Amino acid sequence: GAVVSQHPSWVICKSGTSVKIECRSLDFQATTMFWYRQFPKQSLMLMATSNEGSKATYEQGVEKDKFLINHASLTLSTLTVTSAHPEDSSFYICSAAGQGKNTEAFFGQGTRLTVV
Amino acid sequence: QKEVEQDPGPLSVPEGAIVSLNCTYSNSAFQYFMWYRQYSRKGPELLMYTYSSGNKEDGRFTAQVDKSSKYISLFIRDSQPSDSATYLCAMSIYGNNRLAFGKGNQVVVIP
Repeated sequence: GAVVSQHPSWVICKSGTSVKIECRSLDFQATTMFWYRQFPKQSLMLMATSNEGSKATYEQGVEKDKFLINHASLTLSTLTVTSAHPEDSSFYICSAAGQGKNTEAFFGQGTRLTVV
Repeated sequence: QKEVEQDPGPLSVPEGAIVSLNCTYSNSAFQYFMWYRQYSRKGPELLMYTYSSGNKEDGRFTAQVDKSSKYISLFIRDSQPSDSATYLCAMSIYGNNRLAFGKGNQVVVIP
């Protein structure tokens, strides 16, 4: 399968600071990228969908001003958690898909964010 | 009611046993059904992909979808220690993209 690289794999930050997570498709052009969040003992929940060059579409209940998503190129999307708080501590994971409605989406390895 | 329900209880089986996993769902619009395998500290990888109802077999893995009951299953025959992982069910309306996930089952195959 195609390779999606997510960085960093883990990060600890102080409350009130911002954290940027990168998601890169290494060997294909990702027209669409998805960002998920997983709290302990919960399922992966879709946060937002981004298409290259367009504004992201956020799921209900996800604050777009807090979780800034940029998908400026066909191989890179970033998620910035602004003014992070301890309740934002979670596992964030991206997936990337090429062109086509039924194209398989490949997942990154995820980022464990801990806000202290 | 959550869209996808998967009993997250861990499952330990002896090597060679059949592993049986299942999920239920509430949204009748789901048409695409997937099972992902996730090893520790790795992202999920697609294991099985089924469109609509029916069975699909791939080696030791069989996926079943019963849309009338809103119930999907994954069977792993002749389980191996290397099958030890977390298995997540996922489903979508429009293909393999905007996915609704179950909580995942941690499976341990004991040699």
